[in-house]
Amino acid sequence: EAGVTQFPSHSVIEKGQTVTLRCDPISGHDNLYWYRRVMGKEIKFLLHFVKESKQDESGMPNNRFLAERTGGTYSTLKVQPAELEDSGVYFCASSQDRAEQYFGPGTRLTVT
Amino acid sequence: AQSVTQLGSHVSVSEGALVLLRCNYSSSVPPYLFWYVQYPNQGLQLLLKYTTGATLVKGINGFEAEFKKSETSFHLTKPSAHMSDAAEYFCAVSYSSNTGKLIFGQGTTLQVKP
Repeated sequence: EAGVTQFPSHSVIEKGQTVTLRCDPISGHDNLYWYRRVMGKEIKFLLHFVKESKQDESGMPNNRFLAERTGGTYSTLKVQPAELEDSGVYFCASSQDRAEQYFGPGTRLTVT
Repeated sequence: AQSVTQLGSHVSVSEGALVLLRCNYSSSVPPYLFWYVQYPNQGLQLLLKYTTGATLVKGINGFEAEFKKSETSFHLTKPSAHMSDAAEYFCAVSYSSNTGKLIFGQGTTLQVKP
């Protein structure tokens, strides 16, 4: 069974540019989560999808971040325009129930 | 606000020594508790979890953790460290009343010396 995949693994962009991160969850997992780890800080929750619906987006930092989950399958997280403080590692996780989440390898975003 | 505290951002042990990574949470409601491990250049992997039942939980790679409600703790232990245990370890909690989102501690990097 394939695990959670994320693309790209690394992205370096300039301040003001747009970046789109993609997450493919484990097949059949209705729950999809996005988290972020800024350097030196703890991993923080961003948002949660159940199928294609946003269940909880309380962790989204501001309206420069837009997450979608087309047809309840893969998800994208767009940052537009990117700021320096957006640099960090973005993790995606999926789960069938809410007791165990499977994480992807993360996307390391660097904004210069 | 609910939070998780991992005591010590870096822990160093000798190969064969006891590993003890500490985790405390702040909540009057018992959460679900997790330990994740991240090896270099990899994603987070679940080591073990506590939801209900027996408070001593065994995980992969010889790790175990004990939920102590009175101490609001969920410390991770392994009797004998191996070089391959060198990684970053994260304690996390979630609450059944919410969406299952995880609240993480700051992470502890474990160094194993030969």
